[in-house]
Amino acid sequence: EAQVTQNPRYLITVTGKKLTVTCSQNMNHEYMSWYRQDPGLGLRQIYYSMNVEVTDKGDVPEGYKVSRKEKRNFPLILESPSPNQTSLYFCASSRKVAGAEAFFGQGTRLTVV
Amino acid sequence: AQSVTQPDIHITVSEGASLELRCNYSYGATPYLFWYVQSPGQGLQLLLKYFSGDTLVQGIKGFEAEFKRSQSSFNLRKPSVHWSDAAEYFCAVGASGAGGTSYGKLTFGQGTILTVHP
Repeated sequence: EAQVTQNPRYLITVTGKKLTVTCSQNMNHEYMSWYRQDPGLGLRQIYYSMNVEVTDKGDVPEGYKVSRKEKRNFPLILESPSPNQTSLYFCASSRKVAGAEAFFGQGTRLTVV
Repeated sequence: AQSVTQPDIHITVSEGASLELRCNYSYGATPYLFWYVQSPGQGLQLLLKYFSGDTLVQGIKGFEAEFKRSQSSFNLRKPSVHWSDAAEYFCAVGASGAGGTSYGKLTFGQGTILTVHP
């Protein structure tokens, strides 16, 4: 089954404690990205990757890091989480063509206290 | 820069009534347009998309959307709403212009929460 898998689904952490949210896709998609969803703001892109070892900032990259060492995986790293990073996070993947449909993971609800 | 506006934050309809969710976009060229639905606790599922051609697009679950270039709109409609349609709906625009770095990125609207009364 074609899917994007994120882990964990729920995470509560303390300010400053480094964490990683994993994302994996099995569709051989070149393009992967991370979004955060906040009430009234919709989804905003954090980082994206056009292919292995190629990543770039999205609209709200501050406080986040990513890596793309393998085509299927695109982890999101919060080196020093802060309460304003409390949000719902989605990983997505798509083919690298104009108008390609994005496939989304189930989401990770992160709370930073 | 591309942008999407969904003017209605929350809409309530009765089961069996018709539905229209509004979406306005801003984009320099002909856009690729999408509607996604998010059920509680779930990820986003694609309802339908518009690339070119026929401006009336059919999607899953009985939804349709009409692209109107003159109004920069891509409104989502359903003739008869079911209780299971209660969810949050997102309109999104994707880049269609030249430049591969644009491909893949979606810009989302703020979302519209749909409540369905029995």
